[in-house]
Amino acid sequence: DGGITQSPKYLFRKEGQNVTLSCEQNLNHDAMYWYRQDPGQGLRLIYYSQIVNDFQKGDIAEGYSVSREKKESFPLTVTSAQKNPTAFYLCASSRDVLQAGELFFGEGSRLTVL
Amino acid sequence: GDSVTQMEGPVTLSEEAFLTINCTYTATGYPSLFWYVQYPGEGLQLLLKATKADDKGSNKGFEATYRKETTSFHLEKGSVQVSDSAVYFCALRNSGYSTLTFGKGTMLLVSP
Repeated sequence: DGGITQSPKYLFRKEGQNVTLSCEQNLNHDAMYWYRQDPGQGLRLIYYSQIVNDFQKGDIAEGYSVSREKKESFPLTVTSAQKNPTAFYLCASSRDVLQAGELFFGEGSRLTVL
Repeated sequence: GDSVTQMEGPVTLSEEAFLTINCTYTATGYPSLFWYVQYPGEGLQLLLKATKADDKGSNKGFEATYRKETTSFHLEKGSVQVSDSAVYFCALRNSGYSTLTFGKGTMLLVSP
C-alpha cells in the first residue's frame, strides 16, 4: 500500500541530544512537509521541500534541520538548540506544490525530552 | 498574513445529533479551503475541500460550503456517529503559495 511511514512512533531524548525523525513515502510525491503539533496550537510548519535537494524554512524552523537527498525520504533532525522539543511531529507529502492543499500524512512521531 | 479561526472545543454531542463546526478565514486573494480529520493517535486525513466561492465539498456525510461573503467554511453533518469522534482542522491554501495554513482544531466527542 502506498503511504507515508514515520519512525520511531515514540522517542525519548535527554536534554542536549540531537535526534532524527525518519519520514519515507512511496507515493512518488515531489513535495514533503514537516509539521509540529502541540495541544491547542494546531499544526505549525517546520520545513518543506518541493523537490530533491531543495527545502525551505517554515514558520518555526529554528532548532530544526532537514535534508532531501532522495525523493522518498525527508528526515527531520531536532537539535539541542530547539528550546522546547517535546511535541507530536507529523510528516506529510503532496503530489507537487500545486497540490499543496491535498496532503497525505504519516501517523506521527511523539518526541519527549526527559 | 493568512489565518484560520475555528470554534473552540470540545464539541460534545449524542449519537445522531446535528453537527456544525464553525470556521472563518482571513486571506488575500482567492484561497482554496479544506477540512482535515485526525483520529486519536493518528495523522491527519483530508476530509473535503472547496476551491472557489459557493463550491460545496462533501465526503462521508460531511459537507461544507465556501462562503466568500462571510469568509466562512463551516463543517456540517446531519447525524453524527460515535466513530466521528476526532479532531477536525480547517485549513486554507492561498493561490501562489506552496503550503497550508491550519486552524487550531476542534475536538468532537460523540457519545452513544
